[in-house]
Amino acid sequence: EVQLVESGGGLVKPGGSLRLSCAASGFTFNTYSMNWVRQAPGKGLEWVSSISTSSIYIYYADSVKGRFTISRDNAKNSLYLQMNSLRAEDTAVYYCARDGVGAHRVFDYWGQGTLVTVSS
Amino acid sequence: DIVMTQSPDSLAVSLGERATINCKSSQSVLYSSNNKNYLAWYQQKPGQPPKLLIYWASTRESGVPDRFSGSGSGTDFTLTINSLQAEDVAVYYCQQYYDTRNTFGQGTKLEIK
Repeated sequence: EVQLVESGGGLVKPGGSLRLSCAASGFTFNTYSMNWVRQAPGKGLEWVSSISTSSIYIYYADSVKGRFTISRDNAKNSLYLQMNSLRAEDTAVYYCARDGVGAHRVFDYWGQGTLVTVSS
Repeated sequence: DIVMTQSPDSLAVSLGERATINCKSSQSVLYSSNNKNYLAWYQQKPGQPPKLLIYWASTRESGVPDRFSGSGSGTDFTLTINSLQAEDVAVYYCQQYYDTRNTFGQGTKLEIK
């Protein structure tokens, strides 16, 4: 069974940093691109970042470029999101999502999410 | 970025009836080299992560009931839910993945009338 479990969320002050983790199991992690998608409270979905299997291809939304860094450790079956210079508008549930089998950049499995709150 | 616009923002449909949700992209998401539309649909129930329903505009994900269907091409797409069930109450999102910086629609909230 595919499982994605996010951790690392919490309350942080504006300008602060946080590192999210996503532990993957139930599939061959190093053969799938992975993604972070966020959802502000009561709002819609926003794609944040993607990383290819060997970390060669990395993409970011304009809203986080230069502040967030996605990475992965295939030996540990883990995905990460380093978030720096956090702003109030970064407050959201952050989901880890796997690229789909049938189509690239479609998200077929999602974690339950971890809440990041940026507030003074 | 490609902007995805859904309509309506919300709708209420009676049990057993048909629900139709529309999605329009600001530019075509049809890739001419493979004639595929890079458009997906997701369902999100309260307190849960999104669930993939449809990709390539009309291909149902494994395990998705066949009352869910997708259609359209280019810039205009539709998600149709036939014989609405109580468990279909959710917010539905379209997503374009034509661009590496994929984008979602604002969501359509489906309720029972």
